Amino acid sequence: ETGVTQTPRHLVMGMTNKKSLKCEQHLGHNAMYWYKQSAKKPLELMFVYSLEERVENNSVPSRFSPECPNSSHLFLHLHTLQPEDSALYLCASSLSSGLNTGELFFGEGSRLTVL
Amino acid sequence: GNSVTQMEGPVTLSEEAFLTINCTYTATGYPSLFWYVQYPGEGLQLLLKATKADDKGSNKGFEATYRKETTSFHLEKGSVQVSDSAVYFCALSDRSKLVFGAGTILRVKS
Repeated sequence: ETGVTQTPRHLVMGMTNKKSLKCEQHLGHNAMYWYKQSAKKPLELMFVYSLEERVENNSVPSRFSPECPNSSHLFLHLHTLQPEDSALYLCASSLSSGLNTGELFFGEGSRLTVL
Repeated sequence: GNSVTQMEGPVTLSEEAFLTINCTYTATGYPSLFWYVQYPGEGLQLLLKATKADDKGSNKGFEATYRKETTSFHLEKGSVQVSDSAVYFCALSDRSKLVFGAGTILRVKS
């Protein structure tokens, strides 16, 4: 069983829908991340949270809204998305945001399709 | 800004062939370097890492050496197996985050 769990694994939504992606980590880590994985492109870092505080926001459009209610849970709220937002969204955690060991633990991802 | 460039795939090899996946980077300072692997239907997992110049990271028969003079961190394995079929990502550390390359698909045929 992976230490980082993402739900749902697959999501299809229309451009006017509102949905949320959920991530939960059982590793006792203090930092959590959202990455976007599109075909043939580098993984794009979207958000970094450290101890429930957002420490990085990489110019992500406001139609993506993260929420970190505690150090074990991370959400990505989706609203009025575009077809080009279709991708695999990966959640990850690490012991701290300083990345001293460089190890991120990833979930299996949520495959999002926007129609 | 910092960036990572990987060779484009897919790379298709026969079982027991020698593998090289090229990775070069652009960075200020001296980042740590990593290889992550993503098996089908799974998230990424750390394969190996090197934290300073001339360090060699190794795991599961894979190796990569941190070359500062050529800003490279090429991944090698002497004899690949079908179970090595996956997507391989090169990455570097940049303060509070990892910067990843686009990934290289490896397909190993029996």
